[in-house]
Amino acid sequence: DGGITQSPKYLFRKEGQNVTLSCEQNLNHDAMYWYRQDPGQGLRLIYYSQIVNDFQKGDIAEGYSVSREKKESFPLTVTSAQKNPTAFYLCASRGGFNTGELFFGEGSRLTVL
Amino acid sequence: SQELEQSPQSLIVQEGKNLTINCTSSKTLYGLYWYKQKYGEGLIFLMMLQKGGEEKSHEKITAKLDEKKQQSSLHITASQPSHAGIYLCGATQGGSEKLVFGKGTKLTVNP
Repeated sequence: DGGITQSPKYLFRKEGQNVTLSCEQNLNHDAMYWYRQDPGQGLRLIYYSQIVNDFQKGDIAEGYSVSREKKESFPLTVTSAQKNPTAFYLCASRGGFNTGELFFGEGSRLTVL
Repeated sequence: SQELEQSPQSLIVQEGKNLTINCTSSKTLYGLYWYKQKYGEGLIFLMMLQKGGEEKSHEKITAKLDEKKQQSSLHITASQPSHAGIYLCGATQGGSEKLVFGKGTKLTVNP
């Protein structure tokens, strides 16, 4: 079935370590997004990509990095520069420009010990 | 950057009551989405609105986008405990794929 797969579902990391969250979609979507969610909060946009080999910063990009080398993949790296990385991370994708349903993955919960 | 204001932040209603959640922007909304979420879980797609004045319904939930495309409302009729969760609106602006969300409305439905 078509959809978005995020992995891992749960991740623990020590302070000072970088960690990469995977996001893969088989929907042939051009646009992909990474959001962060904190308890009681909505979704805050970290990075988004409209096309392969191109991406833009969202509202809270500091301490994060992404790549878009393949259409189906949009990994997010949480670097040691991110001051408060413990959160729930959601990846999403959609097809045509300003059209179509926005599909979400199941999310990755990162905890920094 | 575009900000989406959702109101109220939280809502507690008795089962069977109607309720409305609002999503407002100072800028024109494009591709307005409504989602429901159980905290810590993925998002469930409810509806997408694109045209000014558009209205869509699914079961007991109706979403509207005003003519000026700056405000959307989500109305639930005869609420049930299964409607409880966090409701999120998201939208893009103009010629960008930047898609942002409001802070969410937490709905509690008491039996």
